[in-house]
Amino acid sequence: SQELEQSPQSLIVQEGKNLTINCTSSKTLYGLYWYKQKYGEGLIFLMMLQKGGEEKSHEKITAKLDEKKQQSSLHITASQPSHAGIYLCGCSSGDAGNMLTFGGGTRLMVKP
Amino acid sequence: DGGITQSPKYLFRKEGQNVTLSCEQNLNHDAMYWYRQDPGQGLRLIYYSQIVNDFQKGDIAEGYSVSREKKESFPLTVTSAQKNPTAFYLCASRIGDRTIIGYTFGSGTRLTVV
Repeated sequence: SQELEQSPQSLIVQEGKNLTINCTSSKTLYGLYWYKQKYGEGLIFLMMLQKGGEEKSHEKITAKLDEKKQQSSLHITASQPSHAGIYLCGCSSGDAGNMLTFGGGTRLMVKP
Repeated sequence: DGGITQSPKYLFRKEGQNVTLSCEQNLNHDAMYWYRQDPGQGLRLIYYSQIVNDFQKGDIAEGYSVSREKKESFPLTVTSAQKNPTAFYLCASRIGDRTIIGYTFGSGTRLTVV
């Protein structure tokens, strides 16, 4: 199965600072998803990228997929305490089952 | 509103007991999935089902069983054979059309062995 590596594993930033989370695959990504999770809760869908070079933004969060479709980054501008949580990248298997495989997650804390 | 309902939110199991986690969706989604999440880790696939009366093992199926008798329901049984069941369990669903890629997740069940 496809493996996804996320970095960093954890991140503490001061409110107002920018930050970037990376997600790397050894294989071409068919569909790359970014989710946010509050502790003990379900996953909140952020964005999905499919095309090489694609970039999407929602409020202060921007996600990019590189041209080779093997690496994605999630960038948060002017972080706020509400951005705190676990960020997970996931990729679709692309076959009939279309299972999602996830990276290990990045735990983000934003200090007021 | 359509969505996925997981119950209970918290579940405690004694050693040697089987327990069943409920997952119900009213989204008319064809495919359903069960994931396990351990502290500080990502999600790992336990079982998935693409249609009624059919399901496939995921990466960590040992010690778990599922059924898919109805489109709306995909219960997960954690058996006594699962040696380390304490974890957070998430259910997800997806419409069957491969060209439409969108997953919906439930709010999870936290299982603790006591």
